Amino acid sequence: NAGVTQTPKFQVLKTGQSMTLQCAQDMNHNSMYWYRQDPGMGLRLIYYSASEGTTDKGEVPNGYNVSRLNKREFSLRLESAAPSQTSVYFCASTSGANYNEQFFGPGTRLTVL
Amino acid sequence: GQQLNQSPQSMFIQEGEDVSMNCTSSSIFNTWLWYKQEPGEGPVLLIALYKAGELTSNGRLTAQFGITRKDSFLNISASIPSDVGIYFCAGFSGGYNKLIFGAGTRLAVHP
Repeated sequence: NAGVTQTPKFQVLKTGQSMTLQCAQDMNHNSMYWYRQDPGMGLRLIYYSASEGTTDKGEVPNGYNVSRLNKREFSLRLESAAPSQTSVYFCASTSGANYNEQFFGPGTRLTVL
Repeated sequence: GQQLNQSPQSMFIQEGEDVSMNCTSSSIFNTWLWYKQEPGEGPVLLIALYKAGELTSNGRLTAQFGITRKDSFLNISASIPSDVGIYFCAGFSGGYNKLIFGAGTRLAVHP
């Protein structure tokens, strides 16, 4: 089992460019999440998907969109990147049995110039 | 919104020392989680606590769910160099699947 995988690992964008961060899990989990991590702060929830076919906003959704492509995959899109979106992005998933115990991917380090 | 206050922000200790860190909240949580993050990696779950007063161990790590349900503690005994990393607490208080994270405690262990 690979667990939660994320691509790319690193990305540099110019202001205004768009990109999609990919996330996949092979644990047959129902719920998936996108977080951002900034220096000196805990992880903040951007969007989540409680189950296939549903998505909901988290704490900091502005400037992002998500797609739950199927049960395995949950992508995060930046339509017009801004320097304030420079961050490390983590995808996580959890099964229905223990919603609280989230398993995290290795992260994508994004820099917007 | 809900916030967790995690302290200390950082610790620099000698190998073999014991370590304590804690999280407090103004809100009640019904689950407390402790994660460790190593450089370049995602957080890894160490311990999950589900009942007020619960004390749970994972090797040299011990965590407690405070009686008031507004705090939690993590202790590491006899620290070793591989304990280096950032330790995060996280609380879950209902709503749907939303964890609230503390800002982390950065631990450095000097051999």
